[in-house]
Amino acid sequence: QKEVEQDPGPLSVPEGAIVSLNCTYSNSAFQYFMWYRQYSRKGPELLMYTYSSGNKEDGRFTAQVDKSSKYISLFIRDSQPSDSATYLCAMSPLGGTSYGKLTFGQGTILTVHP
Amino acid sequence: DADVTQTPRNRITKTGKRIMLECSQTKGHDRMYWYRQDPGLGLQLIYYSFDVKDINKGEISDGYSVSRQAQAKFSLSLESAIPNQTALYFCATSDSGGVLTDTQYFGPGTRLTVL
Repeated sequence: QKEVEQDPGPLSVPEGAIVSLNCTYSNSAFQYFMWYRQYSRKGPELLMYTYSSGNKEDGRFTAQVDKSSKYISLFIRDSQPSDSATYLCAMSPLGGTSYGKLTFGQGTILTVHP
Repeated sequence: DADVTQTPRNRITKTGKRIMLECSQTKGHDRMYWYRQDPGLGLQLIYYSFDVKDINKGEISDGYSVSRQAQAKFSLSLESAIPNQTALYFCATSDSGGVLTDTQYFGPGTRLTVL
């Protein structure tokens, strides 16, 4: 079983929809949670990060972490065609032998159509 | 990200050939990583280096080797390429002294095809 599970989709939504992307994890040592966005033929780029449980908002994007359930989400409001990309969750512990290494989910392919 | 460059961007080679993928960064970061990406599998860590004298194996290091020539340069070699090494390869960097120490910054990738 993978330490981080992410539904690969693909997910197709109309412009303006609210999108929910999710990851579950099994390693309770994970304390730092990130979402990366990867456009076609490009490298992943950091979209959002959070250290704590709860919500973090940045414009149309909200990252949510529930450590008790080992579940993280990324919500995209008013989705745009330019949001079409692969979204990867990533996480790491803040210490120990795995410090500095990220564990990635499989990535969810999102298409927002006009 | 122009701060992390990878060469070549595309490469087609034959089974048994030795291949080197190169990564350079101008971000001044001390940590560098090599990943491969396959459809449906996400990013898998091949090797990582926390400084010039520190090299570590990742999840899938068999068939690969690396060299950290300088703080800014980290090369990945396939000693004898095989078809199942066909994938997209990414280099990434991070800064151990930064505020976001685990945040990694990725290069544009190298698409490798082994025939």
